[in-house]
Amino acid sequence: KAGVTQTPRYLIKTRGQQVTLSCSPISGHRSVSWYQQTPGQGLQFLFEYFSETQRNKGNFPGRFSGRQFSNSRSEMNVSTLELGDSALYLCASSPGGQVYGYTFGSGTRLTVV
Amino acid sequence: DQQVKQNSPSLSVQEGRISILNCDYTNSMFDYFLWYKKYPAEGPTFLISISSIKDKNEDGRFTVFLNKSAKHLSLHIVPSQPGDSAVYFCAASDRNTGNQFYFGTGTSLTVIP
Repeated sequence: KAGVTQTPRYLIKTRGQQVTLSCSPISGHRSVSWYQQTPGQGLQFLFEYFSETQRNKGNFPGRFSGRQFSNSRSEMNVSTLELGDSALYLCASSPGGQVYGYTFGSGTRLTVV
Repeated sequence: DQQVKQNSPSLSVQEGRISILNCDYTNSMFDYFLWYKKYPAEGPTFLISISSIKDKNEDGRFTVFLNKSAKHLSLHIVPSQPGDSAVYFCAASDRNTGNQFYFGTGTSLTVIP
């Protein structure tokens, strides 16, 4: 059974640019969540999509957005990149529902210079 | 505002001994808790979970204890093995917020052979 696939694995962008990250969940999983991991901050929740609808949103500025397609694949977009956006971005999929927890992908390491 | 806290950034334990990782939370509405393990360059991997209706859950060498009155949970690993060396995150959720989990900042466990 294939796991959660995130592309690309590494990305270097310049301040002010925008970036799109991709996540393919485990087959059959309808919920996709995105997290930002930075040193000392742990994992910070960005948003969750379920059946193409944003179901939850964390406390991040509007520069961070996402979407989910009918095949449950999800993309996350960050516009007008800032140096502080440098982080590991993790995607997690779940069948949906609290008790299932998540299966995480390996993440996309974004560096903003 | 960090609703889930892991106050020990690191822990070293001799192989064969018990490892105890601690986690505190502030939100009394949290009713589901998980532990994840993370190796470098990989996404977090689900380890064990516990619902607020229980105070203990075991899975092989891993046991999670929940003390609701103290808003505290702990993960016990017995016996500890060198392969357990990783960063451990605790996470909590409130069923009213759906599939959003709040993560601690992690504890780096080193098991010394």
